[in-house]
This record gives sequence, C-alpha cells and structure tokens, in this order.
Amino acid sequence: DAGVIQSPRHEVTEMGQEVTLRCKPISGHDYLFWYRQTMMRGLELLIYFNNNVPIDDSGMPEDRFSAKMPNASFSTLKIQPSEPRDSAVYFCASSEDREGEKLFFGSGTQLSVL
Amino acid sequence: QKEVEQDPGPLSVPEGAIVSLNCTYSNSAFQYFMWYRQYSRKGPELLMYTYSSGNKEDGRFTAQVDKSSKYISLFIRDSQPSDSATYLCAMKYINAGKSTFGDGTTLTVKP
Repeated sequence: DAGVIQSPRHEVTEMGQEVTLRCKPISGHDYLFWYRQTMMRGLELLIYFNNNVPIDDSGMPEDRFSAKMPNASFSTLKIQPSEPRDSAVYFCASSEDREGEKLFFGSGTQLSVL
Repeated sequence: QKEVEQDPGPLSVPEGAIVSLNCTYSNSAFQYFMWYRQYSRKGPELLMYTYSSGNKEDGRFTAQVDKSSKYISLFIRDSQPSDSATYLCAMKYINAGKSTFGDGTTLTVKP
C-alpha cells in the first residue's frame, strides 16, 4: 500500500484566500484524522471521522475551518478565508483499529499564509 | 498545564549510547501509550504502543509505562545516526479516538 497520501505538499497563499487540503487514507482504514503541527502548540487534533462520519470536531479552531469525507478514500480540509495564523503543517492520519491507537500519518501539507 | 509534558531537548549522544526519552502526564484516565518518531519534513511514524502498564520491547527499543507515577519512557539501545529524529509520546483514553501528543524531544546521534 502507498500509505496515506496528502496533497499538495506545499501551499503558499495570501490572506483571505480559500485553501483546500486533500487526503487519501490507507485502504481499509475506518478512521481518518486531521492534525495540525506548529512550533508553539505541537501536534493538535482538529477533527476525526469514523466510517466517513465526523465524530469529534472540537479541535477545529473556528468556523473558517471545515472538513468533509464524502467516501472512504477521500477527505478534504478547507480553510476559508485563510489567515497568517493558520500557517502550519497539516497532517492527515488513518487507522484500522477500533480504538484508533495506531495512527499512520501522511507526509503533511506545509501551509504558508502571507 | 499541559496534559502531556515532554522535555524538548535537544538531546545529543554518541553512536552506541543508550538513550532515555520520557514523558509525564496528568490524567490517570489515559490507557494507551504510544511513541512516534518523526524525521524532518515527514509525518510521525508509530514506533511502539502499550496498553496500560508494563514494558514492551521491540528490537533496540523498549517502552515502559508507570501509571502510578504517570510517567512513560522510551529506551533506545545501541543508538545509531539513523535514530536522529524527533520522538513524540502520545496517549489516549479507551473508547476515544483522540490521541494527545507531547511536544517531542529532538535527538541527534553523532557518529
């Protein structure tokens, strides 16, 4: 398996623009997680899905952030409008475990909002 | 106060040394304890996971959990330059998908 695939690897955009990050989880994994990593706050969970259904979105910073999982092989994280403080590395991870304790991470999207 | 505390280092050791990495936590409800390794510009990679207390060994890596002290450790024996990375501890409750991560310890193993 190719692992968790994220795109794009790098995104540079201007404040106010819409940003869409994409993720393809490992086939057969029922859980999908979106994490954000910054120097100041470390690795933070934004939202996670089980069988395409959002289970916990309490980590989503505000209404500017939204995530969808239309099918088992694709998820998006959208920021609209983007702000400089959204600059971070965004990771997608998937898990096959009922408890989700073994996460398989993608390589991340480095987002820079100018 | 953070739920999970981890010394950020950096930690620098010579090749072949035994490395000890540690995390403390405040919530006794954590039941799963994980260690991830993250190379520069890559996603974290799961190294070890332990349920509840005890030790777990996998090759050169040993994970220990002491729930009475709310303290977990990762030991690396015969460290190699390829072990140079950031090591993140993570913990989660039973029946909860969310893993809470430490901030990571940056390790450099010098040849």
